[in-house]
Amino acid sequence: KQEVTQIPAALSVPEGENLVLNCSFTDSAIYNLQWFRQDPGKGLTSLLLIQSSQREQTSGRLNASLDKSSGRSTLYIAASQPGDSATYLCAVEGGGKLIFGQGTELSVKP
Amino acid sequence: SAVISQKPSRDICQRGTSLTIQCQVDSQVTMMFWYRQQPGQSLTLIATANQGSEATYESGFVIDKFPISRPNLTFSTLTVSNMSPEDSSIYLCSVGTARTYEQYFGPGTRLTVT
Repeated sequence: KQEVTQIPAALSVPEGENLVLNCSFTDSAIYNLQWFRQDPGKGLTSLLLIQSSQREQTSGRLNASLDKSSGRSTLYIAASQPGDSATYLCAVEGGGKLIFGQGTELSVKP
Repeated sequence: SAVISQKPSRDICQRGTSLTIQCQVDSQVTMMFWYRQQPGQSLTLIATANQGSEATYESGFVIDKFPISRPNLTFSTLTVSNMSPEDSSIYLCSVGTARTYEQYFGPGTRLTVT
């Protein structure tokens, strides 16, 4: 059974800092991995999708990497801003289903 | 990406009643899913909504409690039946493309059962 773990559960950083969020999964037989952002009480916004054959994806200040063999992904956020404050969720897809981690709650202080 | 809307955005319901949540997509999509997010928790897949056939439910979820309809490729409903306070959650629909399997989520329906 696939299990997804995100570390840390919560993170508070000053504005401008670069940071890394971690995601690990137990079964490497995944089709892709997706990172989402969720603002309080809201739905999910897709940030980045990494196909199983890819090693990384970049969008603006965000960079996500994937190492299937070790069951790990990282989301790197450069030059963090208060508007980045949200919960970040990673999810792995296998067999058409997304399995989510518990999320990392990020707070960026001005 | 697809634009997804859900109705209602939130509701407060009494124990024992039922609520139907609608999910509308602005384009035809192959895959539609329903998720539940309990307070302080991550998302759990309830079922895959199949067009023209019965939904496929995940372990722990049953059709009598969460009947799902999908009459066409742009619309689906989820009903939460005979509600109890434990059903208080955010319910989200998502859609996926067969090409990349990337999923996009609706804004969610926040349900409170009293």
